[in-house]
Amino acid sequence: KQEVTQIPAALSVPEGENLVLNCSFTDSAIYNLQWFRQDPGKGLTSLLLIQSSQREQTSGRLNASLDKSSGRSTLYIAASQPGDSATYLCAVEGLDTDKLIFGTGTRLQVFP
Amino acid sequence: DTEVTQTPKHLVMGMTNKKSLKCEQHMGHRAMYWYKQKAKKPPELMFVYSYEKLSINESVPSRFSPECPNSSLLNLHLHALQPEDSALYLCASSHTRSGGTAFGKLFFGSGTQLSVL
Repeated sequence: KQEVTQIPAALSVPEGENLVLNCSFTDSAIYNLQWFRQDPGKGLTSLLLIQSSQREQTSGRLNASLDKSSGRSTLYIAASQPGDSATYLCAVEGLDTDKLIFGTGTRLQVFP
Repeated sequence: DTEVTQTPKHLVMGMTNKKSLKCEQHMGHRAMYWYKQKAKKPPELMFVYSYEKLSINESVPSRFSPECPNSSLLNLHLHALQPEDSALYLCASSHTRSGGTAFGKLFFGSGTQLSVL
């Protein structure tokens, strides 16, 4: 059974810092891994999707990497801003299951 | 149009009420989902519809009844809910799996915050 874990559970940093959020999964038989952002009481916004054959994806200040063999992904946020404050969730789509398995999330607070 | 629209945004209901949550998308996606999310927890899958047919029911109690009347609409009918059913209910959509392909990117609505009194 696929299990997805995110470390740290919460993070509070001053504006301008470069951040690394971690996601680990137990079963490497995946189609892809997605990173989502969720603001309090709101829906999820897909940030980046990495196919199983890819190593990384970039969008603006965000860079996500995937090491399928070791069951790890990282989300790198460059030059963090207060507007980046949110919960970040990773999710994997397995080859043998018709659903996304979500990680436990990292609650990020960036203060001015 | 890359939006998934959910109504209402907030809902308060008693345990004897019947209400419905609605979800709409016009991206041509043929897979639609209902998720339930409790505070500070990840979303939990409830139902998946593929080509307007129910393909996954994650052992959800019968007081939750999904309906997919056409390829753009998804409803969740609620009846005789319990206070522990209070949560954020999220709808999502994506392309379907076919021929060994993935769902790909999921698009979520902003959710319905449900309170059961």
